Amino acid sequence: AQTVTQSQPEMSVQEAETVTLSCTYDTSENNYYLFWYKQPPSRQMILVIRQEAYKQQNATENRFSVNFQKAAKSFSLKISDSQLGDTAMYFCAFMGETSGSRLTFGEGTQLTVNP
Amino acid sequence: KAGVTQTPRYLIKTRGQQVTLSCSPISGHRSVSWYQQTPGQGLQFLFEYFSETQRNKGNFPGRFSGRQFSNSRSEMNVSTLELGDSALYLCASSPRAGAPDTQYFGPGTRLTVL
Repeated sequence: AQTVTQSQPEMSVQEAETVTLSCTYDTSENNYYLFWYKQPPSRQMILVIRQEAYKQQNATENRFSVNFQKAAKSFSLKISDSQLGDTAMYFCAFMGETSGSRLTFGEGTQLTVNP
Repeated sequence: KAGVTQTPRYLIKTRGQQVTLSCSPISGHRSVSWYQQTPGQGLQFLFEYFSETQRNKGNFPGRFSGRQFSNSRSEMNVSTLELGDSALYLCASSPRAGAPDTQYFGPGTRLTVL
């Protein structure tokens, strides 16, 4: 079974600064997909970024980028130029090629951006 | 395109009752998955439906069931409610089943069991 671990329950950052959220996972699969979702106080789960394991290039989406280390099974999220609207719970999630559409989530990291 | 919609948004039930939650996927999406979110257990996969068939099931008791209609809308039902069933129930849709498509989530239904 796959497991996803987020070791930082809470983090805070000043507006306009950069913050990195950590995520590690365990799997025996060779091909899989990793995601970061954010869940603001509205509770709506929003996709932030997606990474395919077979791609060596790290995914980026505007101010969001990942550092994907396949051998280390690490998938961290970097948020640059943090904005107040980035305040949310961030979940790392895994989807294995053999697990269909099932997502396995980490425990989440509560990020607070301070003015 | 309209996003995933879930109804109702909030529900209050008492122990022993049953409840039905509804989910309408993004237009064109045929796979619907359900997740339970609680403070203690986090986000857990309940089941996935595609073409009116359950394709995948998580580790939940038989009191949790679901179905999907020909228009891809899905319902989940919880019978004989227990206090521990209080949770946010999230529905997600994706274009295909068993494929690594990104899942898009609805706003959730907050169920409180008294």
